[in-house]
Amino acid sequence: AQSVTQLGSHVSVSEGALVLLRCNYSSSVPPYLFWYVQYPNQGLQLLLKYTSAATLVKGINGFEAEFKKSETSFHLTKPSAHMSDAAEYFCAVSRPGSNYKLTFGKGTLLTVNP
Amino acid sequence: EAGVAQSPRYKIIEKRQSVAFWCNPISGHATLYWYQQILGQGPKLLIQFQNNGVVDDSQLPKDRFSAERLKGVDSTLKIQPAKLEDSAVYLCASSPSGQYQETQYFGPGTRLLVL
Repeated sequence: AQSVTQLGSHVSVSEGALVLLRCNYSSSVPPYLFWYVQYPNQGLQLLLKYTSAATLVKGINGFEAEFKKSETSFHLTKPSAHMSDAAEYFCAVSRPGSNYKLTFGKGTLLTVNP
Repeated sequence: EAGVAQSPRYKIIEKRQSVAFWCNPISGHATLYWYQQILGQGPKLLIQFQNNGVVDDSQLPKDRFSAERLKGVDSTLKIQPAKLEDSAVYLCASSPSGQYQETQYFGPGTRLLVL
């Protein structure tokens, strides 16, 4: 079985501040990990993914995430928040033996204050 | 490259009515997924197709939900009869075969409200 826990359903930062969204996973085998972003009334857009290559993964829009096996974490960061980053962010896990079925966390709503 | 297309974007129905959603995946993508996203939650997989065969439908409420993917391209998800708790966004996703098969690409979703 696999699961994802996103700590904090709502994170608020000031424009220009560091963004840190937390994700912990549970998987019986080495996982694939993903971060998706969802803007209001839109579908999910892939930000970045980890598939057992480099542990530090860079994505679109200046986001990056680091896979830490010892901590079973895959936290998402961005050095400087922009107003356009305000959205809901979902962490998800899959594994090769499960037909790549995605299991999502409950999401974290990021608000950016001017 | 065109993305995943879904229609309609919004639908309002009364309970016990039926409704159908349509999805056209990215051209050439062999795998198609339907997810249900209830307000305040992450998406939950309902059904997964590989070409026109079902790979996983363990979370599909089969007494009221059905889905098909004729000819291994477009797919339709149907609810009959709808219940209030079916109010959600229904997301369709597709993924390629081969090297990047783990990556799913999502459509804009269909927002369903059951009154």
